[in-house]
Amino acid sequence: QVQLVQSGGEVKKPGASVKVSCKASGYTFTKYAISWVRQAPGQGLEWMGWISVYSGNTNYAQKLQGRVTMTTDSSTSTVYMELRSLRSDDTAVYYCAREYGDFVGLDPWGQGTLVTVSS
Amino acid sequence: QSALTQPASVSGSPGQSITIPCTGTTSDVGGYNYVSWYQQHPGKAPKLMIYEVSNRPSGVSNRFSGSKSGNTASLTISGLQAEDEADYFCSSYTSITPYVFGTGTKVTVL
Repeated sequence: QVQLVQSGGEVKKPGASVKVSCKASGYTFTKYAISWVRQAPGQGLEWMGWISVYSGNTNYAQKLQGRVTMTTDSSTSTVYMELRSLRSDDTAVYYCAREYGDFVGLDPWGQGTLVTVSS
Repeated sequence: QSALTQPASVSGSPGQSITIPCTGTTSDVGGYNYVSWYQQHPGKAPKLMIYEVSNRPSGVSNRFSGSKSGNTASLTISGLQAEDEADYFCSSYTSITPYVFGTGTKVTVL
């Protein structure tokens, strides 16, 4: 079945970087784009950005421009999201999610990765 | 890009129908038929329930339906069941980004 499995939780200090992985299985990896979405504790969903696995093209949320980078490794069917210069308000569960079709919706989602930023 | 507006909470009794509105602008909900809805149970990842305004993915109950009028999309849950108690988020394609999410609605089954 189609599945996205993310790396484990991380604890980082302010100013550090974090890199979260998302390993895909059950479908042709290069056929679907991947979005990253985060959710701060008790809050709503925030779209962070999108990467075309086929071309490597990216589209990042304006508020994260310059701090976020999304990349892919087709040899391992893995997508990565790196966030730099971490702040306390970056504490959130980070999800990867596959396009259901071109921008029509996201499904499935990874299980989520909790990133905690604390001094 | 501002979040789409949803009521914080909606409740209903088992068997009843409830509707969750999602209000945006002509730059998102009103401008494109790319509205999707997600169900999220506590501690779980979101699940796609509706895409392209009114389409259900395979496996999603037909008790869930979607619609749109102008800048407002809606999710209706018919025959409310205890398992429907969860948070629901709408999302839309926008003129700037592929996705913007709603503020979220907590559905309580009384």
